[in-house]
Amino acid sequence: DTAVSQTPKYLVTQMGNDKSIKCEQNLGHDTMYWYKQDSKKFLKIMFSYNNKELIINETVPNRFSPKSPDKAHLNLHINSLELGDSAVYFCASSQRELDGYTFGSGTRLTVV
Amino acid sequence: AQRVTQPEKLLSVFKGAPVELKCNYSYSGSPELFWYVQYSRQRLQLLLRHISRESIKGFTADLNKGETSFHLKKPFAQEEDSAMYYCAHGSSNTGKLIFGQGTTLQVKP
Repeated sequence: DTAVSQTPKYLVTQMGNDKSIKCEQNLGHDTMYWYKQDSKKFLKIMFSYNNKELIINETVPNRFSPKSPDKAHLNLHINSLELGDSAVYFCASSQRELDGYTFGSGTRLTVV
Repeated sequence: AQRVTQPEKLLSVFKGAPVELKCNYSYSGSPELFWYVQYSRQRLQLLLRHISRESIKGFTADLNKGETSFHLKKPFAQEEDSAMYYCAHGSSNTGKLIFGQGTTLQVKP
């Protein structure tokens, strides 16, 4: 039983397309996050939600829109994909902010 | 500003040698520090946190507020320790967990 699951695992798409990545956690955690890992393996926070409420919104283009229908889900929708969006996107959750995070296995997005 | 620095991109040691992965942070408040590990083709997982003061898989890390460091150490490296290690710093003010650039540890036989 995977604690934090992301779908899809791999996503290859053309520039200009709109795509979504889904994330679900079955740990009962209150807080969920999206991180972006670039080609140099640098991990940067994008968003965090606490009980469906947006808490952190880093300097991310507004083409990226997170949506949390309930506290177990945090999806990431990306409009008008660009080459620079190619990265691995990780979802994570924690019971409290700054508790040990449980990460998903990542979604490798390739924009061609 | 909240920042984490891992000065080494790659650390290569032989099996049985001691390992020290460096991490420095900059923050004026009370830091919460963590080490995460990512084995090849696996998800990122929590290795240890400074508040628990525990040893996991033989690794320890001591918070040194004077030097603003949280170096990860292991006295005898094993091949299965080869992975990417991330130091992370959390702030209760910002609610953010900021990661360092990561250090790849390569343990050679």
